[in-house]
Amino acid sequence: EVQLVESGGGLVKPGGSLRLSCEGSGFYFSSYKMSWVRQAPGKGLEWVSSISGYSNYIYHADSVKGRFTISRDNAKNSLYLQMNSLRVEDTAVYYCARDTIATTGTSPADPWGQGTVVTVSS
Amino acid sequence: DIQMTQSPSTLSASVGDRVTITCRASQSISAWLAWYQQKPGKAPKLLIYKASSLESGVPSRFSGSGSGTEFTLTISSLQPDDFATYYCQQYHSYFLTFGGGTKVEI
Repeated sequence: EVQLVESGGGLVKPGGSLRLSCEGSGFYFSSYKMSWVRQAPGKGLEWVSSISGYSNYIYHADSVKGRFTISRDNAKNSLYLQMNSLRVEDTAVYYCARDTIATTGTSPADPWGQGTVVTVSS
Repeated sequence: DIQMTQSPSTLSASVGDRVTITCRASQSISAWLAWYQQKPGKAPKLLIYKASSLESGVPSRFSGSGSGTEFTLTISSLQPDDFATYYCQQYHSYFLTFGGGTKVEI
């Protein structure tokens, strides 16, 4: 069974840092582009970052560029999101998601993890 | 970035109704559009990809159409399990964008 499990969320003060992790299982991890998508309380989905299978290509949304860094360790079947200079508006559920197709291009995201909650508050 | 605009933002319907949700892209995305369903407290679930292809296991009452900049998601006969929020997403660009969502409520 294909599965994604996020961890690392929590409460952090504005200006602080947090590192999210996502462990994949049931598929050949390095073959797939992976992404982080977040959802602020009561709001819609917002794409955050994506990384290709061998980390050749990395993309960040403008809202997090320069503050967040996506990375992966294929030997550990793990995806990461290093979040620095956190702001109140970064408060959200953070989901990791796998592309549906093992390709160098883009494809929809499925499956998704269950999400991890990040709260930025003083 | 490509902007995705969904309408309506909220839709009130009854079991058995035919429901249509619209998604517009700010530029042509060919057929690189997906639809997701999300229920409260849960992760999104892929319903439709490439504008009109039904994901495996998704009931046939769901269908998608469109290309270029105009897309629709149709539920032919709304079932109790379908009350949820629906999002479109373009994957024409590596900088992915979602529509604002449509909440389908009773």
